[in-house]
Amino acid sequence: ETGVTQSPTHLIKTRGQQVTLRCSSQSGHNTVSWYQQALGQGPQFIFQYYREEENGRGNFPPRFSGLQFPNYSSELNVNALELDDSALYLCASSLDLAGSSYEQYFGPGTRLTVT
Amino acid sequence: QQQVKQSPQSLIVQKGGISIINCAYENTAFDYFPWYQQFPGKGPALLIAIRPDVSEKKEGRFTISFNKSAKQFSLHIMDSQPGDSATYFCAASSGPGANNLFFGTGTRLTVIP
Repeated sequence: ETGVTQSPTHLIKTRGQQVTLRCSSQSGHNTVSWYQQALGQGPQFIFQYYREEENGRGNFPPRFSGLQFPNYSSELNVNALELDDSALYLCASSLDLAGSSYEQYFGPGTRLTVT
Repeated sequence: QQQVKQSPQSLIVQKGGISIINCAYENTAFDYFPWYQQFPGKGPALLIAIRPDVSEKKEGRFTISFNKSAKQFSLHIMDSQPGDSATYFCAASSGPGANNLFFGTGTRLTVIP
């Protein structure tokens, strides 16, 4: 069984730039959630994708957007980067079977630094 | 607004001792309470989880105690080992297929040999 993978591992961007982060779900999982984890804090929910559509969103501005592909992999896009966007971005996958799944399994994350 | 409050912020325990981390919540719609373990530079790993229909769940050295009336739950690590040194997060969500895990602020556990 393949776990959740994310790329790249680390990324350095300049304020105002755009970034795309990628996630491959755990084998057999059909739902992907993205979280932002600032240093020393717990993860904060950004949004979730199920069947290629956004299925819930946290308190993040529209410049945070995402995609889910038919193979259940996903992308997180952030436009107009700000210094406060510097964080560990985590992808979590889960299996939604008619609304009966709870467990979310996290990838190793992408460390984004905005200068 | 912190939906899940976690304490202590840090904890130092001797090898072989019991580590106890506490969490509290307000939203009575929460019905799933997982604990995650995170090592530096890694993503959180699901450790153990509980639903509110039981008061305790044990898996190996890890036990969750759940008090529905007090809206509190705790993680007990028995026979703590240096390899358990990590940051632990409690979390909560509501409804099957719930998309939003609300995390606590984390507890940094150090187990001294």
